[in-house]
Amino acid sequence: GDSVTQMEGPVTLSEEAFLTINCTYTATGYPSLFWYVQYPGEGLQLLLKATKADDKGSNKGFEATYRKETTSFHLEKGSVQVSDSAVYFCALPYSGAGSYQLTFGKGTKLSVIP
Amino acid sequence: NAGVTQTPKFRILKIGQSMTLQCAQDMNHNYMYWYRQDPGMGLKLIYYSVGAGITDKGEVPNGYNVSRSTTEDFPLRLELAAPSQTSVYFCASSGDRRRGGDEQFFGPGTRLTVL
Repeated sequence: GDSVTQMEGPVTLSEEAFLTINCTYTATGYPSLFWYVQYPGEGLQLLLKATKADDKGSNKGFEATYRKETTSFHLEKGSVQVSDSAVYFCALPYSGAGSYQLTFGKGTKLSVIP
Repeated sequence: NAGVTQTPKFRILKIGQSMTLQCAQDMNHNYMYWYRQDPGMGLKLIYYSVGAGITDKGEVPNGYNVSRSTTEDFPLRLELAAPSQTSVYFCASSGDRRRGGDEQFFGPGTRLTVL
């Protein structure tokens, strides 16, 4: 079945460091791919998305490119800030009939220290 | 727009008690979902609904029930609470996927402890 595998955390970085969180997927066809972010004590919110191969999603300095050759959607940011400390989830929609649901990775907790 | 709202924010239940977690959205979304989030385990889908009057089971439905009498509301009922139901519960909604509405919007969550 469709699934996502993302890098286990936690990840601790110093402010202004480069961030990569790996995400690979298994899916039928070419579904949209998402990164969600969960700040402490809050619900998930969409960070960025890509709807087709080679698309790059971007938001708040984060980027991810939909790569069908490597079935990957890695999240990157060139210079992290303390305010980026959160849990990040990679997700894709289930395929097939009734394909309204999302399957999520287990989440990667990022802590950024000053 | 309030988006997706959930009540209560926190609740402590005793084993065997029942309660309803409320969820409402004001975006006129047809699709609504209930997830639970256990520490370090990501999110698991409990139930979902594709419109008023239509609900279906997700990955972990045992011990829960839902109803969807209106487009706006999607309450989750816990009968006979058990310690295994201690978790954070999130409600979410989304628009018509065929029209590009596949992003899910999440509520702030309800933290439930069963003792």
